[in-house]
Amino acid sequence: GNSVTQMEGPVTLSEEAFLTINCTYTATGYPSLFWYVQYPGEGLQLLLKATKADDKGSNKGFEATYRKETTSFHLEKGSVQVSDSAVYFCALSPPTGFQKLVFGTGTRLLVSP
Amino acid sequence: EAQVTQNPRYLITVTGKKLTVTCSQNMNHEYMSWYRQDPGLGLRQIYYSMNVEVTDKGDVPEGYKVSRKEKRNFPLILESPSPNQTSLYFCASRWDRVTGELFFGEGSRLTVL
Repeated sequence: GNSVTQMEGPVTLSEEAFLTINCTYTATGYPSLFWYVQYPGEGLQLLLKATKADDKGSNKGFEATYRKETTSFHLEKGSVQVSDSAVYFCALSPPTGFQKLVFGTGTRLLVSP
Repeated sequence: EAQVTQNPRYLITVTGKKLTVTCSQNMNHEYMSWYRQDPGLGLRQIYYSMNVEVTDKGDVPEGYKVSRKEKRNFPLILESPSPNQTSLYFCASRWDRVTGELFFGEGSRLTVL
């Protein structure tokens, strides 16, 4: 079946540090891949997406590249800010039938000044 | 403003007392869905609806009901809530038919005593 595996959190970083949050997936065919972010007390917001292999999604300084060969979609940011503290969810949408997004368990990021 | 609106945002209730969480979207989306978020489990789909009068079970439908009488509304009904339904609930509608990207409400935190 379809599944998403994310690295365990929390990830604790100092401001301006480099961020990587690992995400790997299992799916048949070519799913669409997403990163959603959840700020404290809020709903999920789409951060970035990629719909085919080798696509790079980017937004707000965050990037992720769709790697079919390693079934990965790791989230990166070169210099994190305190305001990036949130929970990050990796998700996939199966290529056939869009009944649901399949989410990872989420990774909490804590950035200190 | 495009949005998905859930009510109530917070609710404390007791076992067995029927409750309804409402969800309304103003984007004319055909597809809507309910998720629950629990620590360590990520988001799991409860029910979804492809269009008016068309609903189907997600991964964890036990103890829940839904209805879709109008395109904009998709209420979640707990006929006899139990403590294991204490959770954070999110309603979402489909933003992109091709990729399956979802647009989320802000969440409803439910506590069943």
